Amino acid sequence: DTAVSQTPKYLVTQMGNDKSIKCEQNLGHDTMYWYKQDSKKFLKIMFSYNNKELIINETVPNRFSPKSPDKAHLNLHINSLELGDSAVYFCASSQVNRGYQETQYFGPGTRLLVL
Amino acid sequence: QKEVEQDPGPLSVPEGAIVSLNCTYSNSAFQYFMWYRQYSRKGPELLMYTYSSGNKEDGRFTAQVDKSSKYISLFIRDSQPSDSATYLCAMSDFSGGYNKLIFGAGTRLAVHP
Repeated sequence: DTAVSQTPKYLVTQMGNDKSIKCEQNLGHDTMYWYKQDSKKFLKIMFSYNNKELIINETVPNRFSPKSPDKAHLNLHINSLELGDSAVYFCASSQVNRGYQETQYFGPGTRLLVL
Repeated sequence: QKEVEQDPGPLSVPEGAIVSLNCTYSNSAFQYFMWYRQYSRKGPELLMYTYSSGNKEDGRFTAQVDKSSKYISLFIRDSQPSDSATYLCAMSDFSGGYNKLIFGAGTRLAVHP
């Protein structure tokens, strides 16, 4: 069973379109994340939700809107796609225990190409 | 200046070599230091995790943290072709009680037979 899954794996779309990426985890974790990895492999956090509550919101254009319908799901909707949005988007999850670091488990990534 | 600096490589070594991968950082509040391995077209997976300064060994892998120099290293002994991947260092200070990782740019490693 896949621990953290994402759909779709590949997404090719035109500039200006709106698209969504979905993420699901079956690890029973209470915290989920979205990361963006650019062409130089630089991985940067975008958002994090803990028990459906937004807890980390980095400097991301408001065209990006995350939504967490429940603890096991975190979706990312992107409006008015731009060329610079082309990247690999990774979802991750972890169990938050205050006071120490937990492992973040990553999904396989969604490769987004904006033409 | 980025919070975490990592030489992107690529680094090419023969099988059996000892590999040294390094990161420097600027935030002295970082307490947790991790190394993730990412194979091509896959998500990163946690390889090693250390808290504060010191060494940690796991099989062929050794992670070192020198907080006084703000420098962390990952050593791979007897490197194998299956070690060919991108290695990302990551660190956090767990400020506010939440798990925000700051990643380095990743070093691409190729181990050739």
